[in-house]
Amino acid sequence: EAGVAQSPRYKIIEKRQSVAFWCNPISGHATLYWYQQILGQGPKLLIQFQNNGVVDDSQLPKDRFSAERLKGVDSTLKIQPAKLEDSAVYLCASSPREYRGYSGNTIYFGEGSWLTVV
Amino acid sequence: GENVEQHPSTLSVQEGDSAVIKCTYSDSASNYFPWYKQELGKGPQLIIDIRSNVGEKKDQRIAVTLNKTAKHFSLHITETQPEDSAVYFCAASEDTGRRALTFGSGTRLQVQP
Repeated sequence: EAGVAQSPRYKIIEKRQSVAFWCNPISGHATLYWYQQILGQGPKLLIQFQNNGVVDDSQLPKDRFSAERLKGVDSTLKIQPAKLEDSAVYLCASSPREYRGYSGNTIYFGEGSWLTVV
Repeated sequence: GENVEQHPSTLSVQEGDSAVIKCTYSDSASNYFPWYKQELGKGPQLIIDIRSNVGEKKDQRIAVTLNKTAKHFSLHITETQPEDSAVYFCAASEDTGRRALTFGSGTRLQVQP
């Protein structure tokens, strides 16, 4: 079974520029997450989708970050304009559709997209 | 919301020794507690998880214990090997999928050969 796919793996941009990250979750997984991981810290949730609807975006800096999940499959995360403090790894993850008692909330991560803002 | 504290931040052990990482959580509604291993340049990988209906779970050299009353859970790695060197994260959430995982700050484990 293919894992969570993300691209690009690495990106270097200047502050105030824009960047977009793409994610393809595991086939059949209805829930998709974007996490931000700053060096030396644990992942922090940015946004959670259930199919193509937003479940939780309370920690997404909406003045500069946006995310969408068209057709309930792939997702893109955009940052515009970027700030120096946005330098981090952006992790996409997915989990199965329904609670099945034992494995309903198991979350699988992609390799991440490393962003450096200079 | 949920808050997860993790200790220690770094841990160095000799090959063959045991390693223990501890986490506490704040939300009594949390009932799902996974542990992830993250190697340099890679995404976190699930290594073991536990749900609140059990107190302990073991998988070969790794085990997790949960004390719901005290709101803490621990990862135990026995007979450590150099390939166990990585950053380990604990996390907590409700096991319904409605809430995303809240992660601890991570423990960098170094196993000295």
